Amino acid sequence: NAGVTQTPKFRILKIGQSMTLQCTQDMNHNYMYWYRQDPGMGLKLIYYSVGAGITDKGEVPNGYNVSRSTTEDFPLRLELAAPSQTSVYFCASSYLGRNEKLFFGSGTQLSVL
Amino acid sequence: AQSVAQPEDQVNVAEGNPLTVKCTYSVSGNPYLFWYVQYPNRGLQFLLKYITGDNLVKGSYGFEAEFNKSQTSFHLKKPSALVSDSALYFCAVRDGGSQGNLIFGKGTKLSVKP
Repeated sequence: NAGVTQTPKFRILKIGQSMTLQCTQDMNHNYMYWYRQDPGMGLKLIYYSVGAGITDKGEVPNGYNVSRSTTEDFPLRLELAAPSQTSVYFCASSYLGRNEKLFFGSGTQLSVL
Repeated sequence: AQSVAQPEDQVNVAEGNPLTVKCTYSVSGNPYLFWYVQYPNRGLQFLLKYITGDNLVKGSYGFEAEFNKSQTSFHLKKPSALVSDSALYFCAVRDGGSQGNLIFGKGTKLSVKP
């Protein structure tokens, strides 16, 4: 059982470049999330989705875009990379309610130079 | 708006002693509360949650947490700490009336010394 799979694991971008962080889950979860983790700042919610075709902004959405065309996939797009986007990115998925708990991917370490 | 606070950046405990990692929250509706743990260079793992029912919640690895509505707290506890418990612990909350907007605290580093 693969769970939540994120690619790539590491990436270095130049300022102004764009890239897509891929996330896929095989647990048929409706809810998916993107977080970034910065030292001493905890996890900040970037975007989340409650189902295919539905996305919503979290705490820090500026500079990012998402789409949710299928239940399984929830890619995160950086259009014009900036040094402030250097971070570790985690994708997660879950059910809601009594069975609610997030399953996290292994993370993507992104550096923008 | 909802928020969660972990007032301690680091907690140091001797092995075998009890440990407490503090968490307070603010939501407008009924709180859904969670604790997650992150071991070095790993993703986060679920420990326990409170949605409704008993105020004392038991979770993985011998951890438990007590929901206190009047103090808006959800402190994580363990009666006897192990060196292997050393990790980064995150409290998270969402308003039960919202969907998916799960907010994390900044984390508390737990260090258990032999």
